Amino acid sequence: GQNIDQPTEMTATEGAIVQINCTYQTSGFNGLFWYQQHAGEAPTFLSYNVLDGLEEKGRFSSFLSRSKGYSYLLLKELQMKDSASYLCAVRGNNQGGKLIFGQGTELSVKP
Amino acid sequence: DSGVTQTPKHLITATGQRVTLRCSPRSGDLSVYWYQQSLDQGLQFLIQYYNGEERAKGNILERFSAQQFPDLHSELNLSSLELGDSALYFCASSPRTHNEQFFGPGTRLTVL
Repeated sequence: GQNIDQPTEMTATEGAIVQINCTYQTSGFNGLFWYQQHAGEAPTFLSYNVLDGLEEKGRFSSFLSRSKGYSYLLLKELQMKDSASYLCAVRGNNQGGKLIFGQGTELSVKP
Repeated sequence: DSGVTQTPKHLITATGQRVTLRCSPRSGDLSVYWYQQSLDQGLQFLIQYYNGEERAKGNILERFSAQQFPDLHSELNLSSLELGDSALYFCASSPRTHNEQFFGPGTRLTVL
């Protein structure tokens, strides 16, 4: 079967660093994506990992370990506007561009 | 603004009816994807088209169908609507298949 697990909720303080974990079990692997979604709005692309290691993009970094079926999204210098849902999604093999999404992690940033 | 457009923004209809949702991909993108997002199910992949051809299929109900036209816009048809079909329907596009997907603003469907 295919399964993607993320924590349901997290809370962090403005200016701090937060790490959102994602574990997956899928039929093959051909890339992992992180999206940010504010309530009622479209998901927006944050990062993409297909090889093991860390990808850094400004305040956001994403890490992948394919052997462990594990990824994390690291958000630094948190701002109030980072309060949103963070979605982990995996693309399998031979399934076109189909993305399997986790249920999302609702992040609340407090002052 | 992702460059993907969807119409209508909101749709309210009754059970048993049929609706059509429309999506225009970003300029130059050949792939179009449809997703359904409801509170209890999260974001679920429905179907993908690439340059007019069906490329991948998710758990799309038989009451739902889609197509991609020669100008690359896509339509998702939902028929015999049920209360449980109420959800946000997102369209996404990408240049090819193995690229990040850019999501449109969504169509909020309410079935009464």
